[in-house]
Amino acid sequence: GAVVSQHPSRVICKSGTSVKIECRSLDFQATTMFWYRQFPKKSLMLMATSNEGSKATYEQGVEKDKFLINHASLTLSTLTVTSAHPEDSSFYICSARDIAWGGYQPQHFGDGTRLSIL
Amino acid sequence: GENVEQHPSTLSVQEGDSAVIKCTYSDSASNYFPWYKQELGKRPQLIIDIRSNVGEKKDQRIAVTLNKTAKHFSLHITETQPEDSAVYFCAASQGWAGANNLFFGTGTRLTVIP
Repeated sequence: GAVVSQHPSRVICKSGTSVKIECRSLDFQATTMFWYRQFPKKSLMLMATSNEGSKATYEQGVEKDKFLINHASLTLSTLTVTSAHPEDSSFYICSARDIAWGGYQPQHFGDGTRLSIL
Repeated sequence: GENVEQHPSTLSVQEGDSAVIKCTYSDSASNYFPWYKQELGKRPQLIIDIRSNVGEKKDQRIAVTLNKTAKHFSLHITETQPEDSAVYFCAASQGWAGANNLFFGTGTRLTVIP
C-alpha cells in the first residue's frame, strides 16, 4: 500500500530554533500534500495544502512566514517552523494523495512529528 | 466552509458488542467520506471510506452508512475486539479535482473492554 514517510519523529529544541520536517511519499507520486497540527486528544487541524511546483495554500489563521512549506518534487514536501516558540509545540502530521487514483483520492498519513520547544 | 461534527466523544463497549459512531456535515458539496483509526502517537489509518453515490459499504466487521439528504454518516463496528480500541475520526471532502481537503470530526475514543 501507499507509504508516507515523515522525518523526524521527535524533535526537542530550544526556543528560537528553526525546525524542518520532511514528508515523503515512498511508492507513489503526490502533487498535493497536506500538513496538519494535532493537539493532545484533539482532532487534526489542516494548516496548509502543499502543491508541487507552486505556493502552498494556508488555512485562515496560519502564519505563512512562520510555517514555511516547500514542495519541490512529486515525492517530497517540507514544513519549516521558523523561530519556534513553546506555543508551537505540537504533533505535526503530513498526508499525501496518490495522483494515480484520479477523482476520489484517499489521503495517506505519515507517522507524525512531535515537536517540543523548551 | 465544511463543518463536521462527531458523536460521541468517548465510547466504551464490551468485547463482542457493536459500536456506532455518528457524524454530520454541513456542506452539501462534500462527496467523499473516509474514516480513520488513530492509535496513541501513531498515524491515522484509513479503515473505510464511502462516496456519495452509495448509501452503504461494508468490509468484514466494519460498515459505513451515508444519508445524503440528512447529511450524516455513521461507522458501525460489529463483534468488537480489544484491538479496536483507538480514536476514530470521520472526515468529509469534495473528492473530485478541487480542494480535496479533508475536514475532520473531533474524534471518538473507543474503548473495548475485554
